[in-house]
Parts: sequence; structure tokens; C-alpha cells
Amino acid sequence: DAKTTQPTSMDCAEGRAANLPCNHSTISGNEYVYWYRQIHSQGPQYIIHGLKNNETNEMASLIITEDRKSSTLILPHATLRDTAVYYCIVRPNSGGSNYKLTFGKGTLLTVNP
Amino acid sequence: GAVVSQHPSRVICKSGTSVKIECRSLDFQATTMFWYRQFPKQSLMLMATSNEGSKATYEQGVEKDKFLINHASLTLSTLTVTSAHPEDSSFYICSFGHGEEQYFGPGTRLTVT
Repeated sequence: DAKTTQPTSMDCAEGRAANLPCNHSTISGNEYVYWYRQIHSQGPQYIIHGLKNNETNEMASLIITEDRKSSTLILPHATLRDTAVYYCIVRPNSGGSNYKLTFGKGTLLTVNP
Repeated sequence: GAVVSQHPSRVICKSGTSVKIECRSLDFQATTMFWYRQFPKQSLMLMATSNEGSKATYEQGVEKDKFLINHASLTLSTLTVTSAHPEDSSFYICSFGHGEEQYFGPGTRLTVT
């Protein structure tokens, strides 16, 4: 699986947009970009995924660059409950949800009041 | 939808005893599920992948005779930590594959004294 690089930590003010970057320069054509987050002492939570088009759901937006070597997860209006470690994961979509996930160190996002 | 439960949420046991952790998908069925563990301040590490009705596939370095996985049905899997030692103290998290994502349980905090 392609490796991802994320900043170790980021801060964001409550109510502002949080933009979390991820570098995946070795991504291959059949690999998707997935984002999960883990609130302290809880299991990870799926956020969003995409292949090459930008995606939006009720939680977040995912912007993938045209060359697919990087992406940005956007939380449009961060709240204190969004404080968590955010993981960017690249994986093939063949096998669907049965394909194992490899978690890196992620980005600790701290939303401040 | 896509809720996964784990039981117990916390367990303390004495060194040398065995502990069983249950993982259930409450509103969906899944043929494939995963067990992870997470040491303090570290990321999730995959321990094993199991398919319903067949033997689990363990990651390198994970002892299959120590971490017994039973995936007896499409909604239930158990992880038994046999002859637990203090170094097995960790946060154990299960996940089920469903659709295009994995859904994670809330985790079980195991402390071996």
C-alpha cells in the first residue's frame, strides 16, 4: 500500500474550518484515499473516501489534487468534539471493506474554544 | 446503522489468566473482520484478519496460540488472550468490513497485573 505523510499535530479554533493535509505521492491508480478519525479511547470512525474526484458528505469534504499525490480533509465548522487523531489511509478498492487497513501515526487535531 | 459493540469495555486480570473479548455487529452481517491493538501513544496495529467459518490470518509477530480468534458467525467474533502477561496490556479494537468501509468497535482496555 502507498505510504502517507501527515503533520503530527494541528490546532484549529472552534467554528473555523479545519484543513488537514495528507501526502501520498506514491499512490497508484487503483488506490483510494480513506480518512478515519479516533477520538481518545474510542474506536476509529470512518469519515470519507475518494478516488480522484472531490467528495463531500455530512461530516467533511475531501479534496484530492489532480495528480492524486496529496489530499486535504476539510471539516467546515470545527467543534470541540472534533478533537481527535485523523488518519489518512491509502488502500486498493479491490476487496472492498475486506481489505485490511494500515494506520500511520495520523494528525492530532485540537479544536480550541 | 453499522454499529459494532465490544464487551467488556474494560477488564483487569491477573498475570497468567485468560481473557475473552467479544465483538458483535448489531445491525449488519459481515464475512470479514479484523482485530487491532493499540499501545499508549501509538497507532493501531493489525493483529489478525478472520473470515467467518475459517481460521484467522495473523500478522507477523502475533502469536496465534496466544491470541485465539473465533469467528463463529457473521455477527460475532471473539478474541481470547491466553496466559496474559503485563506486556499484553493494551487497547484491543475489532472491526467488521461492510460496504466500502470498516466499522470499528469502541475498544476494550485490557490491563494485566
